[in-house]
Amino acid sequence: GAVVSQHPSRVICKSGTSVKIECRSLDFQATTMFWYRQFPKQSLMLMATSNEGSKATYEQGVEKDKFLINHASLTLSTLTVTSAHPEDSSFYICSARVAGRQTQYFGPGTRLLVL
Amino acid sequence: DAKTTQPTSMDCAEGRAANLPCNHSTISGNEYVYWYRQIHSQGPQYIIHGLKNNETNEMASLIITEDRKSSTLILPHATLRDTAVYYCIVRVVDDKIIFGKGTRLHILP
Repeated sequence: GAVVSQHPSRVICKSGTSVKIECRSLDFQATTMFWYRQFPKQSLMLMATSNEGSKATYEQGVEKDKFLINHASLTLSTLTVTSAHPEDSSFYICSARVAGRQTQYFGPGTRLLVL
Repeated sequence: DAKTTQPTSMDCAEGRAANLPCNHSTISGNEYVYWYRQIHSQGPQYIIHGLKNNETNEMASLIITEDRKSSTLILPHATLRDTAVYYCIVRVVDDKIIFGKGTRLHILP
């Protein structure tokens, strides 16, 4: 099956700093990638959809200036949490799919802890 | 709006079949039923999907009722590694996946 990787797997940062998370599709070209956030004991919440070469579409309530998404190639999308605060501590998960294909594949997640 | 209703949690004895129900009474004709699972602290894993016919793969079977208003995911011989949260999702091709609360399945030794 298709493989999606994320880097880093976990990161600890100080409040006020920015953190970049990478999402890569390893053996397929992803026309669309998605970013989710998951707080403890809760379900995954979709943050944004990014299509290669165009601006990301953010879900209601997600600040686009705080969560910067770049999908510069068919195998890489990045999520930058700008000026991170403790309330941004969460499990961030990306997923990727090929247009017209049924299945969406998920990365292993990145655990962010903001001190 | 997740469009599906699932029990909050279920238990199943190891080695037995785990049958996870899902109600999707408002499903549209062009929407598929997907199942994903999430093992603790990992990303979701695709299990199976179907439109109206029953489907089987190496992981599970998916039984969809004739009116398509409900479905059942069957893990034929559950193991401890099947302990996870199972999500039933309905969507059209190319649509984004919206997760509901899922069913927390506990496999008991």
